Amino acid sequence: DAGITQSPRHKVTETGTPVTLRCHQTENHRYMYWYRQDPGHGLRLIHYSYGVKDTDKGEVSDGYSVSRSKTEDFLLTLESATSSQTSVYFCATTPRQDSYEQYFGPGTRLTVT
Amino acid sequence: AQSVTQLDSQVPVFEEAPVELRCNYSSSVSVYLFWYVQYPNQGLQLLLKYLSGSTLVKGINGFEAEFNKSQTSFHLRKPSVHISDTAEYFCAVSDLSNFGNEKLTFGTGTRLTIIP
Repeated sequence: DAGITQSPRHKVTETGTPVTLRCHQTENHRYMYWYRQDPGHGLRLIHYSYGVKDTDKGEVSDGYSVSRSKTEDFLLTLESATSSQTSVYFCATTPRQDSYEQYFGPGTRLTVT
Repeated sequence: AQSVTQLDSQVPVFEEAPVELRCNYSSSVSVYLFWYVQYPNQGLQLLLKYLSGSTLVKGINGFEAEFNKSQTSFHLRKPSVHISDTAEYFCAVSDLSNFGNEKLTFGTGTRLTIIP
């Protein structure tokens, strides 16, 4: 258990509004990830971070941005939410490059109306 | 790019019966393989992983998986399931040929339902 919390846990927002999801971890893990989970698609990587201020895109990064100014926090921002971004968002962490096991947060259910 | 195929989206099984959940991956290069489980309204947790060594890997809750390099498969098995095994199961792969091999590619998941 990497002590991962996500906030908010549930959010309903309107199309076109900005939304920021927060992932917080207490274990000083180096790597952090944002995934979205959709029926029939499994988990797809949005962005990930390999250190403070070091981030990179995943396979479904369009419409999303991230920031990591502290080791423990990884923020996911939807600049202008769309209905296609309705999903469950999971944060995950891993301690180091050769660790491989990812630890997951409880998820945030986001609905864009 | 690596891809992972879970051939069954839903698997109903009677309690105490055996189960096999199938997973195939696309790449023939060296990979690390994982099975994760997601209980309702929760995040994912690791069931087991194959990094190297014996091709039969044992995990938590009585699950095991066998790595078959020639068939690029990593099927998950349990000899006798319990109601508490009802969950969604995800196969994932880390492609060692990629720089930054700390990234995982997930399959689409298999929903296991145990019938009393």
